[in-house]
Amino acid sequence: GQQVMQIPQYQHVQEGEDFTTYCNSSTTLSNIQWYKQRPGGHPVFLIQLVKSGEVKKQKRLTFQFGEAKKNSSLHITATQTTDVGTYFCAGRAAGNKLTFGGGTRVLVKP
Amino acid sequence: EPEVTQTPSHQVTQMGQEVILRCVPISNHLYFYWYRQILGQKVEFLVSFYNNEISEKSEIFDDQFSVERPDGSNFTLKIRSTKLEDSAMYFCASMSRLAGLETQYFGPGTRLLVL
Repeated sequence: GQQVMQIPQYQHVQEGEDFTTYCNSSTTLSNIQWYKQRPGGHPVFLIQLVKSGEVKKQKRLTFQFGEAKKNSSLHITATQTTDVGTYFCAGRAAGNKLTFGGGTRVLVKP
Repeated sequence: EPEVTQTPSHQVTQMGQEVILRCVPISNHLYFYWYRQILGQKVEFLVSFYNNEISEKSEIFDDQFSVERPDGSNFTLKIRSTKLEDSAMYFCASMSRLAGLETQYFGPGTRLLVL
């Protein structure tokens, strides 16, 4: 079945630094979504990417969808303590099933 | 802002007992989902529901699981005979789909502990 892998599993970042988390799907996706989950919380939708090569920005967050629609990345600039949490990508190939990656757990050192 | 609600927030049950987890999706949404997340692990798709029927289910969603939308507002997940490995956080989600753009809203979850 479809698999979605994310790296790194953990990211320790100094406040103010940038980092990137990567997502790779075993199958071509119709769209990919990103979610943030704070410790003890529920996943919160961040964005959806649909088009090959699409790039979207939300303030300090930049999301990219690969040309082959099998990979994606999330880049965060000038990390803040409010960025702490686990970032999940989730891919939809066909149908209604959304397959989540394992997540990147982000810890910020002040 | 509209939100998905879930009850109860916590449920403790004995192995073999039936549990019903309840969700109230956002009112004008048409697509509903159940996911589970074992502590510290990723979110796993269980089932999707559209037009009053299951549209897709995962291999986790076996005969012990069922979903219903009994009254047009509530969306329930029933586990008939719970097993220890059913212990997890269960999230309900509802989705809006407009011009090909999807936004999925998760509820706060029900933490199920099977003893």
